Amino acid sequence: AQKVTQAQTEISVVEKEDVTLDCVYETRDTTYYLFWYKQPPSGELVFLIRRNSFDEQNEISGRYSWNFQKSTSSFNFTITASQVVDSAVYFCALSELGQGGSEKLVFGKGTKLTVNP
Amino acid sequence: NAGVTQTPKFRVLKTGQSMTLLCAQDMNHEYMYWYRQDPGMGLRLIHYSVGEGTTAKGEVPDGYNVSRLKKQNFLLGLESAAPSQTSVYFCASTLGQGPYNEQFFGPGTRLTVL
Repeated sequence: AQKVTQAQTEISVVEKEDVTLDCVYETRDTTYYLFWYKQPPSGELVFLIRRNSFDEQNEISGRYSWNFQKSTSSFNFTITASQVVDSAVYFCALSELGQGGSEKLVFGKGTKLTVNP
Repeated sequence: NAGVTQTPKFRVLKTGQSMTLLCAQDMNHEYMYWYRQDPGMGLRLIHYSVGEGTTAKGEVPDGYNVSRLKKQNFLLGLESAAPSQTSVYFCASTLGQGPYNEQFFGPGTRLTVL
């Protein structure tokens, strides 16, 4: 069965520090998709990025970057020069096919990031 | 577009009471999902629907029922609420047609069962 592990339950950093959130996944599928979502203190879930299993290129978006390595089944998320507004719970998720070919997401338990001024 | 909306935002129930949570989306999405979020547990899938009139069980379906009579609405019912169902409930929807589509989430419903 699919599984997503976010070993870091909570991380606390000081503003401007770089921080990496780890995500390790398990799947038997050869084609799959990985996602990161952000949940700020206000509670809504915000989509950050999607990556398919055939694309191992790292991605950078502003201060955010993602490192996907199939060899280690990891999809890590780095925030450079963290800011207080980055404080949130971050979820890594893996898509899997459910009934009738439908897609479901399997979520990790989340990493709570606190950025202190 | 309102996106995904959930009604109500907060609710307090007594053990044994029933209630229905409503999720609505205006993006013409095929697939809809109900999750619960508990501290330290992440999001767990309760039920989902791949189209109007169809539903399926997720990871934690016991104690819940769902219906999708209209494409834009997905209802989650608790027939006899229990304290273990105290949680934050999120609805989500996606276009479908492939596992690459991200899910769009509603703002959540905070339910307390006393």
